Amino acid sequence: GESVGLHLPTLSVQEGDNSIINCAYSNSASDYFIWYKQESGKGPQFIIDIRSNMDKRQGQRVTVLLNKTVKHLSLQIAATQPGDSAVYFCASSGGGATNKLIFGTGTLLAVQP
Amino acid sequence: NAGVTQTPKFQVLKTGQSMTLQCAQDMNHEYMSWYRQDPGMGLRLIHYSVGAGITDQGEVPNGYNVSRSTTEDFPLRLLSAAPSQTSVYFCASSYSPTYQQYFGPGTRLTVT
Repeated sequence: GESVGLHLPTLSVQEGDNSIINCAYSNSASDYFIWYKQESGKGPQFIIDIRSNMDKRQGQRVTVLLNKTVKHLSLQIAATQPGDSAVYFCASSGGGATNKLIFGTGTLLAVQP
Repeated sequence: NAGVTQTPKFQVLKTGQSMTLQCAQDMNHEYMSWYRQDPGMGLRLIHYSVGAGITDQGEVPNGYNVSRSTTEDFPLRLLSAAPSQTSVYFCASSYSPTYQQYFGPGTRLTVT
């Protein structure tokens, strides 16, 4: 039979606009954070990372902001293009005794032409 | 560099059948891992290895087995497939378990 899963939150933007995707993490001991992009039918692809000793890091058209006070991470994509349409999810290092990456569930970015 | 490769890309099994999902990497990474991805859920760690001859369980290990005889290869075995194992499986490799993971293209498995 058909399985019903949870729907991903969706962010719909117009081509050319800026996109902001958010992520919350739970472990205040996490010291390393990553953003991944996953296109339909493909494996996750690294976009950008940031360590906890930084608040901001910029890449090509992307910026990651880290707010450790509220345990929040955001990914900003400038001048969003149709090729940016994908699921974006964050990962954080477990911190402390949890020596693994912990992955978020993701946000679907839909770019309207 | 091919990066991380996985075979097969798609597979359909009947309940009770066994099979092996293949994973290989050419980046000389010591750390390799297997994840499953289900709708609405983040990637969940099945098993991982910190080097040849060393494996350990992740978050959801039941029904799966792994071995690591070489640095390059990390196969995942389904011992007796169940419908609950219908999922997309990703293999990943890295220098460290808490550093950027490089993912393969995935295997979409359906168990009927």
